[in-house]
Amino acid sequence: GQNIDQPTEMTATEGAIVQINCTYQTSGFNGLFWYQQHAGEAPTFLSYNVLDGLEEKGRFSSFLSRSKGYSYLLLKELQMKDSASYLCAVMDSNYQLIWGAGTKLIIKP
Amino acid sequence: GAVVSQHPSWVICKSGTSVKIECRSLDFQATTMFWYRQFPKQSLMLMATSNEGSKATYEQGVEKDKFLINHASLTLSTLTVTSAHPEDSSFYICSARSVGRDTEAFFGQGTRLTVV
Repeated sequence: GQNIDQPTEMTATEGAIVQINCTYQTSGFNGLFWYQQHAGEAPTFLSYNVLDGLEEKGRFSSFLSRSKGYSYLLLKELQMKDSASYLCAVMDSNYQLIWGAGTKLIIKP
Repeated sequence: GAVVSQHPSWVICKSGTSVKIECRSLDFQATTMFWYRQFPKQSLMLMATSNEGSKATYEQGVEKDKFLINHASLTLSTLTVTSAHPEDSSFYICSARSVGRDTEAFFGQGTRLTVV
């Protein structure tokens, strides 16, 4: 079966760095997405990785290792507004998005 | 990025009535639209995939007669929850994928449905 695993909840301090991991097992691979979702709102796109390596976009970076079925989202200089759920999703061979359950990130002052 | 508009953002209806939710791609043509349902503290659950001009493909366990999906044009898809019951109360989100872009999906704002 297809499976996406990510931690349920993480806590970090304002100004610090946090890494959210995602491991996956899917039928085929056409890229991995990270989305941010604030409570009561729809997800917003953060990043897309299809090749191995690190993609940096401002305070957010995303890493992919296809051979290990592993990705992480790195958030630097954390701000209170970064408190949200972070969803990992993999696009399978049919171009369908398989969603992880999301990681709730709590930022403390 | 591309804009997807979903309307209404919230709705309260009585049991037994029907509710229509619209999803529009404002500045691009969406060959495929997806309808998701999300319960509190849970991830997105794909309900159905619709391609313009053809019947929607429903995921296992989703009643097609209860959740009617119409994708009449490249910019509009609708989800109608028929004969709504309290257990249909949920957050419904649409997303759209544009022609030639099989990667990023753009999300509507979501609709919070409460059936009383």
